[in-house]
Amino acid sequence: AQSVAQPEDQVNVAEGNPLTVKCTYSVSGNPYLFWYVQYPNRGLQFLLKYITGDNLVKGSYGFEAEFNKSQTSFHLKKPSALVSDSALYFCAVRDGGYSTLTFGKGTMLLVSP
Amino acid sequence: DAGVTQSPTHLIKTRGQQVTLRCSPKSGHDTVSWYQQALGQGPQFIFQYYEEEERQRGNFPDRFSGHQFPNYSSELNVNALLLGDSALYLCASSLSGSGTEAFFGQGTRLTVV
Repeated sequence: AQSVAQPEDQVNVAEGNPLTVKCTYSVSGNPYLFWYVQYPNRGLQFLLKYITGDNLVKGSYGFEAEFNKSQTSFHLKKPSALVSDSALYFCAVRDGGYSTLTFGKGTMLLVSP
Repeated sequence: DAGVTQSPTHLIKTRGQQVTLRCSPKSGHDTVSWYQQALGQGPQFIFQYYEEEERQRGNFPDRFSGHQFPNYSSELNVNALLLGDSALYLCASSLSGSGTEAFFGQGTRLTVV
């Protein structure tokens, strides 16, 4: 069975500083990895994905993620945080067959002015 | 493109009642998945529909059932509602066989009293 772990319930960062939201995964085959963001009382918004290719993936709003196969990690990063980045972030893994996603429990990102 | 649309946005039901939630997928998508997101948790997979059939199912009781129509839209039905069914229900659409990401609707907030 596939699984995702987000070890931090909350990440606090000052505006302008770099941010990292951690994610590790477990899957039997080649992983399809995703990051989604959720604003209050809203659905999930796609940020970026890793399917194959370069280990550094660039996505929306200046976010990027680094795939590390040996550490089974897919950490989300941004060089300079904005207050508007404050939201709930979910890492998800998909099996190679059907498009069923398994999500982590989420990490709340709080960016202070 | 309207993206994934769900209705209604909010719903209040009484224990024991039945509820139907609706979802229209993003244009061009043929697969619909439903997720339950309890407060403070990540989304949990309920089931997935493709070609009007349930293709995969998560760990949810038979009280949860669904349907997909020829136009790819979908319904989620929950019978004999329990207080624990209170959650945000998310619909996601995708294109089968592709490596593309799933797109989510804004969700239906179900409250069971």
